[in-house]
Amino acid sequence: ETVMTQSPATLSVSPGERATLSCRTSQSVSSSLAWYQQKPGQPPRLVIYGASTRAIGIPTRFSGSGSGTDFTLTISRLEPEDFAVYYCHQYGNSPLTFGPGTKVDIK
Amino acid sequence: QITLKESGLTLVKPTQTLTLTCTISGFSLRTTGVSVAWMRQPPGKALEWLALIYWNNDQRYYPSLQSRLTITKDTSRYQVVLTLANMDPVDTGTYYCAHSPRWNRPFDYWSQGTRVTVSS
Repeated sequence: ETVMTQSPATLSVSPGERATLSCRTSQSVSSSLAWYQQKPGQPPRLVIYGASTRAIGIPTRFSGSGSGTDFTLTISRLEPEDFAVYYCHQYGNSPLTFGPGTKVDIK
Repeated sequence: QITLKESGLTLVKPTQTLTLTCTISGFSLRTTGVSVAWMRQPPGKALEWLALIYWNNDQRYYPSLQSRLTITKDTSRYQVVLTLANMDPVDTGTYYCAHSPRWNRPFDYWSQGTRVTVSS
């Protein structure tokens, strides 16, 4: 099983600042890595897939990078609606796995 | 417009079998590459993938739960059904179904989620 780790567990950021989230996989997933945003009481929303491709409707302030085992999600200037939990998810190896999440909260 | 909606009993007793139905619209389970998966999320915890079924009826399961899980589809009724046998309180959580448009693509549309509670 491909184990996912995310850091930090919690990221406290002020609106307008930059947020950088990290995801590592225990084995290579090539570029088969997605990021999801989840707010309380809502299903996950796809933000990035293929490690760096924004999903439909996702603002350009969201960007993803990385390949193999190390990945980054960057939110260039945090808007109030960006405060949420972010999960990375690998779909390159079976079984599919998710990371434990990074909570981005307001500083 | 792709939508998915779960239905089924949401309060089950230990040892009982959970049966959840995902009713889809806006896409067909006959389309090459399409898959529908089930995930769950214990309260306050991370997402966990459970099972997936492809347009060609290929089924995949999370290994540690495989003996308890069954996923099937009824293409003409636009439904995907998940059963999880021998329920335990640790199976309590929110269950989601989700759509993937093709092989090696993540899940782009999710259901709202249904809260399942296992309690005697």
